[in-house]
Amino acid sequence: GDSVTQMEGPVTLSEEAFLTINCTYTATGYPSLFWYVQYPGEGLQLLLKATKADDKGSNKGFEATYRKETTSFHLEKGSVQVSDSAVYFCALTHIAGGYQKVTFGIGTKLQVIP
Amino acid sequence: GEEVAQTPKHLVRGEGQKAKLYCAPIKGHSYVFWYQQVLKNEFKFLISFQNENVFDETGMPKERFSAKCLPNSPCSLEIQATKLEDSAVYFCASSLRDGRNTIYFGEGSWLTVV
Repeated sequence: GDSVTQMEGPVTLSEEAFLTINCTYTATGYPSLFWYVQYPGEGLQLLLKATKADDKGSNKGFEATYRKETTSFHLEKGSVQVSDSAVYFCALTHIAGGYQKVTFGIGTKLQVIP
Repeated sequence: GEEVAQTPKHLVRGEGQKAKLYCAPIKGHSYVFWYQQVLKNEFKFLISFQNENVFDETGMPKERFSAKCLPNSPCSLEIQATKLEDSAVYFCASSLRDGRNTIYFGEGSWLTVV
């Protein structure tokens, strides 16, 4: 079945540091890939997405590129802020048996300190 | 509406009591999903609907959990005779018919069983 692997963290960075959160996946066919963010006490928000190989999703300074050859969708940001502290989930959606499912990674907690 | 609306945001139930959660998907979205988020951020798929039809219920603990999506009504997730381990955040999500479209999540309903 489908699976998503990401580091659990927590990842602790100083403000303005470079961020990378790795995400790799296994899936048959051509899944769509997503990063969701969950701020403390809140629901899930879509951060960015990519629907085919070599697509780059970007939003709020975050970027991720859909790499089919390495089955990866690593999240990057050049300069993190304290307000970026949250849990980040890598996810994929895939048509299986004619219907859609979402497979989540375990989430990576990011702590940004001033 | 333009967002997935979940109610109530917080719900406290004594062990053995019934809990009922509601979800209004984004207007025009025909797929609805329910997920349970438990400790350590893990997301567990519960059930999905295409319009009012159950599409996939492989994640539902059927002896106590039930869900419906009826025309012109919010979708619902009901837990009969709640147990302590049902304490979790329950997320509803919706998407368009095309499997490559984004799945949008609601803010979640926090259920605490005491």
